[in-house]
Amino acid sequence: EAGVTQFPSHSVIEKGQTVTLRCDPISGHDNLYWYRRVMGKEIKFLLHFVKESKQDESGMPNNRFLAERTGGTYSTLKVQPAELEDSGVYFCASSSLSDRNEKLFFGSGTQLSVL
Amino acid sequence: TQLLEQSPQFLSIQEGENLTVYCNSSSVFSSLQWYRQEPGEGPVLLVTVVTGGEVKKLKRLTFQFGDARKDSSLHITAAQPGDTGLYLCAGELLGTYKYIFGTGTRLKVLA
Repeated sequence: EAGVTQFPSHSVIEKGQTVTLRCDPISGHDNLYWYRRVMGKEIKFLLHFVKESKQDESGMPNNRFLAERTGGTYSTLKVQPAELEDSGVYFCASSSLSDRNEKLFFGSGTQLSVL
Repeated sequence: TQLLEQSPQFLSIQEGENLTVYCNSSSVFSSLQWYRQEPGEGPVLLVTVVTGGEVKKLKRLTFQFGDARKDSSLHITAAQPGDTGLYLCAGELLGTYKYIFGTGTRLKVLA
């Protein structure tokens, strides 16, 4: 069974540019989460999709961040325009709705560096 | 702001020693998970505890959920160099599917 895959694994961009991160959850997982770890800080929740619907986006930093999950399969997280403080590791996780204890499976993350 | 304080942040011990990592919060959690993360990888789930007072064992690792479901501990017996890594706790906030993470404990076990 393929795990959660994220692309790219690393991205280096200049301030003001746009970057799009992609997450492919485990097939059949309706829950999809985006998390971010900024240097020296804990992993923080960004948002949660159930299928194609945004269940909770309270962790999104500001309106420069846009997450989509068209069709309820893969998800994208776009940062436009990127700022220096957006640098960090962006993790995607997925889980099955039918798993009450909700085992979260994490991707390897995308290391974003904004220069 | 919900916080999950994890301690210690860093721990360096000799092979064979025991250790305990703590996660504490003022928030009540529906469940609490412990993860281990290797460099360049995402967190990998070790265990989920759901019931207050619950104790789970995974080989030399013992996980306990506090009676009030606000805190948890991870105890490793006879640590091995292979236990070296970053250990994270994450609590599921009541009534949500949102998890908050602790800052992590970076463990190094010396041979």
